[in-house]
Amino acid sequence: AQKVTQAQTEISVVEKEDVTLDCVYETRDTTYYLFWYKQPPSGELVFLIRRNSFDEQNEISGRYSWNFQKSTSSFNFTITASQVVDSAVYFCALSVRRVNQGGKLIFGQGTELSVKP
Amino acid sequence: DSGVTQTPKHLITATGQRVTLRCSPRSGDLSVYWYQQSLDQGLQFLIQYYNGEERAKGNILERFSAQQFPDLHSELNLSSLELGDSALYFCASSVETGLAGLTDTQYFGPGTRLTVL
Repeated sequence: AQKVTQAQTEISVVEKEDVTLDCVYETRDTTYYLFWYKQPPSGELVFLIRRNSFDEQNEISGRYSWNFQKSTSSFNFTITASQVVDSAVYFCALSVRRVNQGGKLIFGQGTELSVKP
Repeated sequence: DSGVTQTPKHLITATGQRVTLRCSPRSGDLSVYWYQQSLDQGLQFLIQYYNGEERAKGNILERFSAQQFPDLHSELNLSSLELGDSALYFCASSVETGLAGLTDTQYFGPGTRLTVL
């Protein structure tokens, strides 16, 4: 079975601090995809990044960076110099592609990030 | 704006009633997914349709059903509603190649908040 664990339920930081959101996944499949989504207070789910299991390169997009380590089954997300607008719930998700089984996302429980001015 | 639309935005109804949630995918996307977000269960996959046919099923209750129409919009029908069905229901869409080993990014609509009184 597949599982995603986000052990941090809530994180509170002060603006301009760096913050790392942890994500640990479980799957026996060799081909899988990992995602991060952001859910701001308005409620929608916003796609941030997708990474496949064969690409362990870290990625940076502005203040956001992601560290994928297959050895520890982790896909952590770091926000550098956090801002109040980063306040949201962040979800890590896993998708395992199998023949005729669709592409459902398995979500972690989410980490609520609060950035205070 | 993800390009996925959902109506209505809010729905308040009574126990025992039936409601229909509507979703229009992004232009060009063939797959539609439905998810339920509740406080106790988190984000859970319900069902996926690909080009009009059911592709994958999650923990969807028998009281719930869905379909995807020729114009690719989808409807989620919830019947004999219970208090515990109160949740945020998301629709997502993706291109969906349908090929094994590949998965696409799912883009989410703004959600329909269902309140059962």
